[in-house]
Amino acid sequence: GENVEQHPSTLSVQEGDSAVIKCTYSDSASNYFPWYKQELGKGPQLIIDIRSNVGEKKDQRIAVTLNKTAKHFSLHITETQPEDSAVYFCAAAGGSYIPTFGRGTSLIVHP
Amino acid sequence: DAGVIQSPRHEVTEMGQEVTLRCKPISGHDYLFWYRQTMMRGLELLIYFNNNVPIDDSGMPEDRFSAKMPNASFSTLKIQPSEPRDSAVYFCASSLKLTDGYTFGSGTRLTVV
Repeated sequence: GENVEQHPSTLSVQEGDSAVIKCTYSDSASNYFPWYKQELGKGPQLIIDIRSNVGEKKDQRIAVTLNKTAKHFSLHITETQPEDSAVYFCAAAGGSYIPTFGRGTSLIVHP
Repeated sequence: DAGVIQSPRHEVTEMGQEVTLRCKPISGHDYLFWYRQTMMRGLELLIYFNNNVPIDDSGMPEDRFSAKMPNASFSTLKIQPSEPRDSAVYFCASSLKLTDGYTFGSGTRLTVV
């Protein structure tokens, strides 16, 4: 089955800095890569996703990049704000369409 | 839309008791998923439904767990009898298509003592 590795497990940045979270996957058939943000006491919320037919997607301060050859994808957050503090999960979905989730990255943005 | 609604938000029960978690998906979403989240195992898919029919329950840990979806607007996850190792946050999620992102509920935090 699919295996998704996510790094780092914890990321601490100063407000205004950029943050990058990286994930690798094992199944070359995976073609859908969503990212979720989970705030304390809430369920994960889809923030951006990318499909295998594109290499990059951007939405305001958030961008995702995908390298299918290397089987890795990344989340980039620019101009971080304290409200960006949360746990971020990457996921990869292939033939079964059911995503396998990474273990999460706890992002802390210091004011 | 109010999103995916789960109840209760918190449940504390004694070992051996029956526990029922409830979920109302977003109207019009054809898929419903039950997940369990723990520090040790992360987010695990337990079971999912398509148009009220269970499709894959391979993630259900054992026979003590059962899930039903009697209609398009309601699903339950039942644990009988409950054990301390069942303590976790249980999420329900729904989606329009299997290849779309999911909308998660706020979860039920279950503590079995």
